[in-house]
Amino acid sequence: TQLLEQSPQFLSIQEGENLTVYCNSSSVFSSLQWYRQEPGEGPVLLVTVVTGGEVKKLKRLTFQFGDARKDSSLHITAAQPGDTGLYLCAGGVGSGNTGKLIFGQGTTLQVKP
Amino acid sequence: DAGVTQSPTHLIKTRGQHVTLRCSPISGHKSVSWYQQVLGQGPQFIFQYYEKEERGRGNFPDRFSARQFPNYSSELNVNALLLGDSALYLCASSFGQGGAEAFFGQGTRLTVV
Repeated sequence: TQLLEQSPQFLSIQEGENLTVYCNSSSVFSSLQWYRQEPGEGPVLLVTVVTGGEVKKLKRLTFQFGDARKDSSLHITAAQPGDTGLYLCAGGVGSGNTGKLIFGQGTTLQVKP
Repeated sequence: DAGVTQSPTHLIKTRGQHVTLRCSPISGHKSVSWYQQVLGQGPQFIFQYYEKEERGRGNFPDRFSARQFPNYSSELNVNALLLGDSALYLCASSFGQGGAEAFFGQGTRLTVV
């Protein structure tokens, strides 16, 4: 069974602080995606990483895929209240036209002004 | 371009009843997947459909079924509803490649009483 473990599960910080969220597995994934979800809404795709060691930046967010494609991290610099939400990592499984996402349990981030 | 649309947005049903949830994917996307998200957890994979065929099934009972239509829209059906079926049901649209990045609708909040 492929599992993704996210840590921490909850994070409450002050505006301007930096933070890192981790997503770990013992399994290899073909891709790794990060989503942000607000209460009562569907997850919104932030980034997809597919190559081991890949680093992608999205404004103040930096995403890294582990060399072995088993883990990933999300780093936020100078967090803002608008970053508050549930952050989900999801590993892609499958090939051809068959595939699914395995989700971590999520990290709830609260950024206080 | 319209994103993934789901209907209805909210639904209240009684135990034992049947429910049908609907999803229209992003134009040009041929794959639709369904996920169940219980409060406080990450989404769990239920089904994937591609070109009107079931390509993947998660660990859900036979009370759950789905289908995809020629226009690539999809329906998720749940029979004999249980209290534990209360959740946010998410539809994800992707171009079709295995484990490809998925774009989610806003979800249908199902409450079983």
